[in-house]
Amino acid sequence: EPEVTQTPSHQVTQMGQEVILRCVPISNHLYFYWYRQILGQKVEFLVSFYNNEISEKSEIFDDQFSVERPDGSNFTLKIRSTKLEDSAMYFCASSDRDRTLAKNIQYFGAGTRLSVL
Amino acid sequence: KQEVTQIPAALSVPEGENLVLNCSFTDSAIYNLQWFRQDPGKGLTSLLLIQSSQREQTSGRLNASLDKSSGRSTLYIAASQPGDSATYLCAFRRDTGTASKLTFGTGTRLQVTL
Repeated sequence: EPEVTQTPSHQVTQMGQEVILRCVPISNHLYFYWYRQILGQKVEFLVSFYNNEISEKSEIFDDQFSVERPDGSNFTLKIRSTKLEDSAMYFCASSDRDRTLAKNIQYFGAGTRLSVL
Repeated sequence: KQEVTQIPAALSVPEGENLVLNCSFTDSAIYNLQWFRQDPGKGLTSLLLIQSSQREQTSGRLNASLDKSSGRSTLYIAASQPGDSATYLCAFRRDTGTASKLTFGTGTRLQVTL
C-alpha cells in the first residue's frame, strides 16, 4: 500500500542551526501538508502546498519556515534558525484530488522528531 | 476559532468491552471528519472518514457517526482488543478549498487490558 515516507525519523540540532525535514508524498497526490505536534499537545497545522505554491499557512509558519518541492517526488520543510520551542514531531501528509472532494483523505507519514538543544 | 474537544482524555477498559469515544466541535461548517489512530511515538493512521452528508461510516469493528447539528462525532469500537490500545484523534476539515487543513482534537488515550 502506498505510504508517505519521512526522513530522518529523529533529528537533533543545536539552537540557531538550519534543518531540512524531508518527505516523499504518495505518488500522484497533488496536495501536501506539514503539521507538527509538540509533546503532549494537539497536532497543529503548519502549511498546505498545491501547484508549487503555498495554499494556506498558519500563524506558526513564520519567516523562519519555508517549504519546497524541489523535484517530482520530494517535499521539504526548512527551518532557517531553529529555536528550542521548535522541538516537536513534524508530520508530512498528502492527499489526492478526488472527484468528490468530501472524500479527500489526508495520509500521514510516521513523522520526524526534531530535538533542538 | 474552531474548538475540537475529545472526551474522555483517557480511558482504560478490559478486553472485550464495547466503547465509545466522543469528539465535539463548535463550528458546524465542516466538510468531513476523520478519525485517526496514533501509537506512541508514531505517525497518524487514518481509520475512517465521514463526509458532512453522511451520518455514519463503518470499518470492521469501528463505527463512526456524525451529527453536524449538535457538533458531535463518536467512534464506537466493538469487542475491544489489547491491540486497540493507542491514542485516537478526530480531525475535521472546513469547506475552504481542496487543500484545506485538518483541525485536530486533543485525543483520547485508550488502554485495553487483558
